[in-house]
Amino acid sequence: LAKTTQPISMDSYEGQEVNITCSHNNIATNDYITWYQQFPSQGPRFIIQGYKTKVTNEVASLFIPADRKSSTLSLPRVSLSDTAVYYCLVGDMDTGRRALTFGSGTRLQVQP
Amino acid sequence: NAGVTQTPKFQVLKTGQSMTLQCAQDMNHEYMSWYRQDPGMGLRLIHYSVGAGITDQGEVPNGYNVSRSTTEDFPLRLLSAAPSQTSVYFCASSSLKNHGAGNEQFFGPGTRLTVL
Repeated sequence: LAKTTQPISMDSYEGQEVNITCSHNNIATNDYITWYQQFPSQGPRFIIQGYKTKVTNEVASLFIPADRKSSTLSLPRVSLSDTAVYYCLVGDMDTGRRALTFGSGTRLQVQP
Repeated sequence: NAGVTQTPKFQVLKTGQSMTLQCAQDMNHEYMSWYRQDPGMGLRLIHYSVGAGITDQGEVPNGYNVSRSTTEDFPLRLLSAAPSQTSVYFCASSSLKNHGAGNEQFFGPGTRLTVL
């Protein structure tokens, strides 16, 4: 299974853009990259998923370079409510490699 | 749709007791999984299933059993509870119909288990 590495924690201020990078050096050809957000005492919530280049939705953007060995989650203009733990996952549920594992995540603290 | 539901929300067990954590989903998802999350840590996969009658082990399967007799239900059984199993348990489900993209996992609210 592809292992991911993220920073343990990050601090930011309201209104700033936050970029969280995830390293996944042994990503497989069929693997997709998915990011989840988790608030205290809640289950994780899907944010965004991509395979290559750039993906954008109403919440975030995901940048994936050509070699796909890393990815960057970008949160534009964060607010206090974005304080959470962010997890990067790599895997493919369409093949036999269906066990998706979470790493330790990045704890984002947004200050006023 | 209720999504993914888990019962109970809280449970206290004594060492050696057994119990079953319930998980149900009403989205007709093929894939269901169980994770545990210890305080301040990430989620660790216990067991998962890609359809009725099919289960497989994740990272930390010891001490837990699962079965998948229906698409909707995926119970997790603790055979003989130990203090090391004190944790928050999350169940999740996902469709396998969309190749890659769209296989979002939906998580339940969790069961907080304490083993004394």
